[in-house]
Amino acid sequence: QSVLTQPPSVSGAPGQRVTISCTGSNSNIGAGYDVHWFQQLPRTAPKLLLYDNSNRPSGVPDRFSGSRSGTSASLVISGLQAEDEADYYCQTYDSRLGGHVVFGGGTKVTVL
Amino acid sequence: QVTLKESGPVLVKPTETLTLTCTVSGFSLSSTRMGVSWIRQPPGKALEWLAHIYWNDQQSYSPSLKSRLAISKDTSKSRVVLTITNVDPLDSGTYYCARMEGNPAWDWFDPWGQGTLVTVSS
Repeated sequence: QSVLTQPPSVSGAPGQRVTISCTGSNSNIGAGYDVHWFQQLPRTAPKLLLYDNSNRPSGVPDRFSGSRSGTSASLVISGLQAEDEADYYCQTYDSRLGGHVVFGGGTKVTVL
Repeated sequence: QVTLKESGPVLVKPTETLTLTCTVSGFSLSSTRMGVSWIRQPPGKALEWLAHIYWNDQQSYSPSLKSRLAISKDTSKSRVVLTITNVDPLDSGTYYCARMEGNPAWDWFDPWGQGTLVTVSS
C-alpha cells in the first residue's frame, strides 16, 4: 500500500478536463515537501511531467497543470487528448524513518 | 544529451544476489549535486524507490529494503551499481535508474533510463 493515495483510474472524453488527486499526510506533503508528477505511457519508462507541484519542464504541453494544498496535491489535464492515455504517478519525500522518497500508487487515465 | 541505461541479468534464482548496473552519459557522477536513484516497478504495479547515491558517495535507502540493498558508483566508468541480496519472486519487475540534480527531499528524477526487466524464479 502506497504512502501517497491516488485514484486507480480516471476517464474522460477528448477535450474534457480530468483531475488526479494525490493524498498524503503530515510527514510528506503536509510537511511542505514538493510534489512531482510523472507520466508513463504504455510500455515505456516514466517521464517527468511536473516538478515542484506545478512547474512544467520544457516540452510539456500547458494543458497539464498542478497544485498542492495541505496534505494533498492535484494534477489537472485540461483538454484531454488521446495521447494522454497513460499512467500518472505523484512523488514526494517522507520524513519518517530517516527520510525517503515515496510514490503514489498510480492512476490510469483512459480517454473514452 | 543526458542518458541512463540499465543492464543486468534477465533471470535470477531465489536467494541469489542480483547486481544491476546503470551506465550514464552526458554528465559526471562526481559533479556537485548530481545523483542517481534506483526505482523498480513490479509487473502491473506502482513505482517503488529503492536507493540513491549522491555525488559525494553518500547513500540513502528505502527503509523497508535497507538490509538487502547496497548502492555504489564508479565515476571513472560512469556507472552506478545496485545489489540486492537474497532475492525473492516478489523482487521481479522492471528496474529503472534515474538522475536527480540535488536532494531527494526537494528535487526530481529526470531523465530515467529505459529500464531492465528482471525475473526471480527457480
